Amino acid sequence: QSVLTQPPSVSAAPGQKVTISCSGSSSNIGNNYVSWYQQLPGTAPKLLIYDNNKRPSGIPDRFSGSKSGTSATLGITGLQTGDEADYYCGTWDSSLSAEVFGGGTKLTVL
Amino acid sequence: QVQLQESGPGLVKPSETLSLTCTVSGGSISSYYWSWIRQPPGKGLEWIGYIYYSGSTNYNPSLKSRVTISVDTSKNQFSLKLSSVTAADTAVYYCARHPIAAAGTPRYIDYWGQGTLVTVSS
Repeated sequence: QSVLTQPPSVSAAPGQKVTISCSGSSSNIGNNYVSWYQQLPGTAPKLLIYDNNKRPSGIPDRFSGSKSGTSATLGITGLQTGDEADYYCGTWDSSLSAEVFGGGTKLTVL
Repeated sequence: QVQLQESGPGLVKPSETLSLTCTVSGGSISSYYWSWIRQPPGKGLEWIGYIYYSGSTNYNPSLKSRVTISVDTSKNQFSLKLSSVTAADTAVYYCARHPIAAAGTPRYIDYWGQGTLVTVSS
């Protein structure tokens, strides 16, 4: 069981918008920055969002991140079939003294 | 462009020690934190531990008794040893880089290796 809770799956049609939630506690999300990673099938994870809402160079502005209290959200607009992947949230947990991840959310673009 | 490449045996026998090395190219190993992360087949990500280029380490409490991470700055490499492995340690193992925060702590992961599958079986 993961320290951070994500929905196992989400789906939406091409062109639509989807959000993926990540729920934690005061020892992790509540007091630390959140990052989001995209893992395309058969590949390594790739950084999508860091410091709650910043995008690395090369990541389109269709991807956005936000944080409120002990929860974070990844938003993806203008969905494309190429966005089908597993998405993971991650942060530091001050009580566990460990980097922690959510269980991952599989995005299906119908 | 920074690249990370994992190397090591793909098959390890139960009770033996898993050993992997990550070679960093396109940049220096200095001034960053370096992590090992694993992903069992069909499952999520699990952080194993990290090392600062100076040699200080921090391990996942659930694995701490079995893990050793070391760094060789002269070779731009860092390594993982996981002892007394069982089938539950079968996973894709990734090495990864963290930039450093102003406070000197690791931030997010900005580069990942391609991963290497390690199977524990007799």
